Amino acid sequence: AQKITQTQPGMFVQEKEAVTLDCTYDTSDQSYGLFWYKQPSSGEMIFLIYQGSYDEQNATEGRYSLNFQKARKSANLVISASQLGDSAMYFCAMREGGGNKLTFGTGTQLKVEL
Amino acid sequence: DVKVTQSSRYLVKRTGEKVFLECVQDMDHENMFWYRQDPGLGLRLIYFSYDVKMKEKGDIPEGYSVSREKKERFSLILESASTNQTSMYLCASSSRTSGREETQYFGPGTRLLVL
Repeated sequence: AQKITQTQPGMFVQEKEAVTLDCTYDTSDQSYGLFWYKQPSSGEMIFLIYQGSYDEQNATEGRYSLNFQKARKSANLVISASQLGDSAMYFCAMREGGGNKLTFGTGTQLKVEL
Repeated sequence: DVKVTQSSRYLVKRTGEKVFLECVQDMDHENMFWYRQDPGLGLRLIYFSYDVKMKEKGDIPEGYSVSREKKERFSLILESASTNQTSMYLCASSSRTSGREETQYFGPGTRLLVL
């Protein structure tokens, strides 16, 4: 079974609108962490936001927020007020237990339009 | 500012050649990782290292080997390149997890084409 599932291969959003990128995960660990990364066309992976399994509040970083629903095992990324520069590939990833490895989803290509 | 560098952005090699991809980080991180990225498959872990001279296989180690002789440098080796190793290769590093929120820092990637 896939540990990280991103069901949206591509998404379009209009500038200044909000967009939600879906991520569901599968783990039997009680302690885990969820990450979102942005990859522009230049190729570099940019860390956006982190959510710990024990964190009671949803994580927020500027225009990025994470809609964490633990019972549903989902960790959706919400980007508010989309900008043209948000056009990129977005990856959800998980670290399980006390390990250092990340497992990545297949990514969602976001295109922001005027 | 954190920095992970990779020796080449683009590389073209012939089938059967030995290929070295180098990664250097300046953050004194213990952990280093090599991933390959293919469309529709996301990032898949090839090998990682949590200390000098230590290495562990990731999810897809076949056809690859690694070397970590110094803390800051982690090399990926394709002993005999094949066309199915044409891909984007990403290196990353992280500190030993003290807090769960420690992220991995990525290099710019190497696009390898094997002809």
